[in-house]
Amino acid sequence: QQQVKQSPQSLIVQKGGISIINCAYENTAFDYFPWYQQFPGKGPALLIAIRPDVSEKKEGRFTISFNKSAKQFSLHIMDSQPGDSATYFCAASTWTSGTYKYIFGTGTRLKVLA
Amino acid sequence: NAGVTQTPKFRILKIGQSMTLQCTQDMNHNYMYWYRQDPGMGLKLIYYSVGAGITDKGEVPNGYNVSRSTTEDFPLRLELAAPSQTSVYFCASSRGTSGWGDTQYFGPGTRLTVL
Repeated sequence: QQQVKQSPQSLIVQKGGISIINCAYENTAFDYFPWYQQFPGKGPALLIAIRPDVSEKKEGRFTISFNKSAKQFSLHIMDSQPGDSATYFCAASTWTSGTYKYIFGTGTRLKVLA
Repeated sequence: NAGVTQTPKFRILKIGQSMTLQCTQDMNHNYMYWYRQDPGMGLKLIYYSVGAGITDKGEVPNGYNVSRSTTEDFPLRLELAAPSQTSVYFCASSRGTSGWGDTQYFGPGTRLTVL
């Protein structure tokens, strides 16, 4: 019940295309769903996050779509650029025992071709 | 404001050796975390701390120890290194608030190889 399943494992997109990464969770107690972006040799950095009371959140070219009934959420990168080439992790968490414990997906390696 | 810093960046250990991975944050965050990242496995929580003197186990604590004597520092100790501990280790910190997910900020990582 604590797993977060992420797909695809890797993704190649042409410049200007749309990149879509999907995640699914089981624990209905999760109430915070961040996406992290990681460049090679660097630590993950928060990209965008959503709570389950909204179905969509957009920040620039990045959009999270959230389907509470299906227990799924996805990251859409519009007009993908070579600089977006990185590994993306979804995560799910809830406040328990005095902390937010994140459960991370396994990551998606995105390559955007110039 | 350097954020979260980790040392060393790389390290090769022999089986049975010990070492300490250092982590420091200058954001006055209450909470600190240690993760390991294995290829295709995402990030797994090793230990976390909600304040100086308070630590607790995460998902994969075996073979590791931590301490938190100050707000800024959260070192991770490997006592008897094993090949299974070959991984990239990330330290993270957060304010420790229950509102809006309590964003975690990550350091650049330490790549450890045990031979």
